[in-house]
Amino acid sequence: DQQVKQNSPSLSVQEGRISILNCDYTNSMFDYFLWYKKYPAEGPTFLISISSIKDKNEDGRFTVFLNKSAKHLSLHIVPSQPGDSAVYFCAASGREYGGSQGNLIFGKGTKLSVKP
Amino acid sequence: DAGVTQSPTHLIKTRGQQVTLRCSPKSGHDTVSWYQQALGQGPQFIFQYYEEEERQRGNFPDRFSGHQFPNYSSELNVNALLLGDSALYLCASSMTGLADQETQYFGPGTRLLVL
Repeated sequence: DQQVKQNSPSLSVQEGRISILNCDYTNSMFDYFLWYKKYPAEGPTFLISISSIKDKNEDGRFTVFLNKSAKHLSLHIVPSQPGDSAVYFCAASGREYGGSQGNLIFGKGTKLSVKP
Repeated sequence: DAGVTQSPTHLIKTRGQQVTLRCSPKSGHDTVSWYQQALGQGPQFIFQYYEEEERQRGNFPDRFSGHQFPNYSSELNVNALLLGDSALYLCASSMTGLADQETQYFGPGTRLLVL
């Protein structure tokens, strides 16, 4: 049973517009959430994270929103650029696994295409 | 400042063989985690090493084992390779401590093909 779900396998957006990538989770013990970007033949690159004590975190063009009651988070990219085209992974972890940050549970990813 | 490095980049093995993958963490990091990423899937956690000991383990058989050295680098060993072990193997490093310092940073991965 998937604990982290990205229900949209792909998303296409026009350059300059907003990209919104969504992620749902089922485990209420998760307390740390991250977004990674992955280009082909490369490892995932860390983008932005959010702790469960916050509902928003912003870093430049990237903003992550967390809705704990809905067990939902989203990544907003504004404005979108062609170089943002990649696969985006949502990941979550919790401290019930042993005190320190636990292993990351990943979604299956959403492929974002930003068209010029 | 070098990021996470992994070697080799690609590897081809046959069923039943054994393989060793290597990882050097980002400077200042003391924790190494290994993940397996099959095609079209997100990375799946194999295990995590801290202070030269396996601290956490995912749902992988005992054929998967690892080691962490005093300089924090790590190895992943897979014995009795199966066709299904073909995947991208990712190493991630982090620093155990406060939550916002424990972000895991990934290396480029080792692509393993088992024939």
